[in-house]
Amino acid sequence: QVTLKESGPVLVKPTETLTLTCTVSGFSLSNARMGVSWIRQSPGKALEWLAHMFSSAEKSYSSSLKTRLTISRDTSTSQAVLTMTNVEPVDTGTYYCARIMRFYDNLSGSFYYTMDVWGQGTTVTVSS
Amino acid sequence: DIQLTQSPSSLSASIGDRVTITCRASQAISSYLNWYQQKPGSAPRLLIYTASTLQSGVPSRFSGSGAGTDFTLTINSLQPEDFATYYCQQTYSTSITFGQGTRLDIK
Repeated sequence: QVTLKESGPVLVKPTETLTLTCTVSGFSLSNARMGVSWIRQSPGKALEWLAHMFSSAEKSYSSSLKTRLTISRDTSTSQAVLTMTNVEPVDTGTYYCARIMRFYDNLSGSFYYTMDVWGQGTTVTVSS
Repeated sequence: DIQLTQSPSSLSASIGDRVTITCRASQAISSYLNWYQQKPGSAPRLLIYTASTLQSGVPSRFSGSGAGTDFTLTINSLQPEDFATYYCQQTYSTSITFGQGTRLDIK
């Protein structure tokens, strides 16, 4: 059974750095077809993709947040970590990690992706 | 970034109804469009990927279609558990984006 679980602080002060951990089970972070993605949702708002990684060399970041985000992983502990620097109150919300699967489309020669299993989410409030 | 616009933003329907939600991309994205369902207080759930492929375990009353820039999610014979918010997502670009969501509630 594939599971993911987010953990991190409930409350963070403005300008601080937020560090979130996603602990996975049921699949290996070393598998080249499987990675971890981070998605957030501000209260009452839509989903917003933040970042994903498949390996140390294959990382992608939201264009609007890439200067503040770093994604990493530790395959030995089955954990993925997202850090967000210089947080602001607008960063308040629920942060999810999800398993991202990569597939190859033989017809087009392109890759496509799905987020097939999600963690329950962790709520973060940015406030002084 | 590729923008996804869903319509309507919200709709009301009755049990047994058929509903259709539309997602329009700001540029062609082939068929690399996924649909998710989210219920209040829960994480999203993958329903459909590559525009029309049903994820394992998803009821067959859900279906998707489209390619290029225009996509639809159709739910036949609405059930009580289908009232939720639905999001489209494109993975054509490695800078993944979601639509703004469509809230489906009971009439």
